[in-house]
Amino acid sequence: EPEVTQTPSHQVTQMGQEVILRCVPISNHLYFYWYRQILGQKVEFLVSFYNNEISEKSEIFDDQFSVERPDGSNFTLKIRSTKLEDSAMYFCASSVRQGSNQPQHFGDGTRLSIL
Amino acid sequence: EDQVTQSPEALRLQEGESSSLNCSYTVSGLRGLFWYRQDPGKGPEFLFTLYSAGEEKEKERLKATLTKKESFLHITAPKPEDSATYLCAVPDKSDYKLSFGAGTTVTVRA
Repeated sequence: EPEVTQTPSHQVTQMGQEVILRCVPISNHLYFYWYRQILGQKVEFLVSFYNNEISEKSEIFDDQFSVERPDGSNFTLKIRSTKLEDSAMYFCASSVRQGSNQPQHFGDGTRLSIL
Repeated sequence: EDQVTQSPEALRLQEGESSSLNCSYTVSGLRGLFWYRQDPGKGPEFLFTLYSAGEEKEKERLKATLTKKESFLHITAPKPEDSATYLCAVPDKSDYKLSFGAGTTVTVRA
């Protein structure tokens, strides 16, 4: 069964450094998302992306964050200058199309640890 | 803002002991509801989409139902492999963003 893959599984970075999290969505999916989950808290929406544009973003997704689809298969999340509070699990998701009955399929996440 | 509340926070069951999890929501016009399963250190795994009140979906020992105000996930005769955190989520008006509940962590003892 096709799945969303994320790399690396664990990233340790010094505060203030840039980090890029990578995702390969399911191949026929057109909508891409990033979520994060701080330890012990809810899964939170960060951003959605379609047709090479951000379609929606949350308050969390400030100027330090950016997303890109650099080629036909990868989808990346960049954090420009990491803070301690960026430590979390980051999940990439994709869906075939937009719609309230279209499930988003998630990868297994990247655990980001900021020192 | 859309609110999704799940109860109980945790549920400990004996193998074979059926039970139900609750997901209640306050949304301006429900536009569907999703159930996911999350294992420790993994991403949410899609289980069900429910789109209209009265709808039911089943998969193995799991059955999800939807009313106008809440959804239930019934676990019938659970096995230890059903141990996981079960999340519900609702889409917002744009259909892009999912708002998740905090989840119910189910532990099934043999």
